[in-house]
Amino acid sequence: AQSVTQLGSHVSVSEGALVLLRCNYSSSVPPYLFWYVQYPNQGLQLLLKYTTGATLVKGINGFEAEFKKSETSFHLTKPSAHMSDAAEYFCAVRNNNDMRFGAGTRLTVKP
Amino acid sequence: EAGVTQFPSHSVIEKGQTVTLRCDPISGHDNLYWYRRVMGKEIKFLLHFVKESKQDESGMPNNRFLAERTGGTYSTLKVQPAELEDSGVYFCASSLSTGRSGEQYFGPGTRLTVT
Repeated sequence: AQSVTQLGSHVSVSEGALVLLRCNYSSSVPPYLFWYVQYPNQGLQLLLKYTTGATLVKGINGFEAEFKKSETSFHLTKPSAHMSDAAEYFCAVRNNNDMRFGAGTRLTVKP
Repeated sequence: EAGVTQFPSHSVIEKGQTVTLRCDPISGHDNLYWYRRVMGKEIKFLLHFVKESKQDESGMPNNRFLAERTGGTYSTLKVQPAELEDSGVYFCASSLSTGRSGEQYFGPGTRLTVT
């Protein structure tokens, strides 16, 4: 069985501050891991994904995530938050065609 | 290239009524998925089509939900009769590849409210 836990349903940071969104997973097979972002009134957009190879994955808009097998984590980071980063972020793990999502983290960026 | 589109964007119906949601995948994508997010909870998988065939419908909550994809193009998800707990956002996604690393492209979702 596979599952995803996102710690913190709401995260608030100041503009220019570090963004850290936490994701822990469980998977019975080597996981494929994803981060999606949803801006208001839009669909889910893929930010980045880990499949195999390098454990530090870079995505769009300056985001990156590191796969840590020993910690079963795939936290999302961005060094400096921008106002346009305000959105809801979803971590997901995939086994075959069954995509399992976390409950989402809503990021607020304060000016 | 047009993305995944869903119709309607919002639907408010009364308990016991019927609602049909539509999803148009990206042209050429054989794989189509339905997901649902109940307020504040995780996005849950409902089912997966490959062309017109149901590949996996293990996430469908009960027999009040019927999904179809006639001709392997657009898909509909009918809820009949709707119950209060069916409220949520229904997402559709499509992909070219069925592999684990294949990207799923999501639509904006249909927000269903059952009163």
